[in-house]
Amino acid sequence: GESVGLHLPTLSVQEGDNSIINCAYSNSASDYFIWYKQESGKGPQFIIDIRSNMDKRQGQRVTVLLNKTVKHLSLQIAATQPGDSAVYFCAGASPKNRLSDTASKLTFGTGTRLQVTL
Amino acid sequence: NAGVTQTPKFRVLKTGQSMTLLCAQDMNHEYMYWYRQDPGMGLRLIHYSVGEGTTAKGEVPDGYNVSRLKKQNFLLGLESAAPSQTSVYFCASSPLGLGGSGELFFGEGSRLTVL
Repeated sequence: GESVGLHLPTLSVQEGDNSIINCAYSNSASDYFIWYKQESGKGPQFIIDIRSNMDKRQGQRVTVLLNKTVKHLSLQIAATQPGDSAVYFCAGASPKNRLSDTASKLTFGTGTRLQVTL
Repeated sequence: NAGVTQTPKFRVLKTGQSMTLLCAQDMNHEYMYWYRQDPGMGLRLIHYSVGEGTTAKGEVPDGYNVSRLKKQNFLLGLESAAPSQTSVYFCASSPLGLGGSGELFFGEGSRLTVL
């Protein structure tokens, strides 16, 4: 089956530095990826998504890079702030595991906890 | 600005008891989902719904039932709770299915402990 995982369970970054959170996936047919942020005691919150026809997508202070050759994606956070402290999940979906034309089953990774030090 | 609201937020059950988790969304979303989150594992889909009156099984449906009698509500039921169902449960909704652009809106979670 498909697996989506993250390289490091914890990442510690100094305030103001850039953060890079990595994610690997196993299914080469995966064509859609999402990053979520989950603060303690809260539900996941959408950050950014990317489709496999793109290598890079930018949002506000965040960039997602997709390398289909090595089945790897990363989330880059510029000028990391204390409010960025959270667990970050990647999730992927492929046409095969879409349960219908209109609903998909995302495969979620286990998450990387980002700790921002002052 | 309620978004997705889950009740209750915490519950302790004894093995064999039943309970229902309620999810309500005020965004007029068609699609609703129930996930469970366990330590060391990613979110796993239990059941989902593509519209009022519809439900479908996800990755880990055993031991759970769901109903979507109204568009804004999605109920998750445990008929006979087991310790393996101790988890944090998240409800989510989306305006389009994830075949489109796939932002899920999550509730804040319901922590269930089964003794």
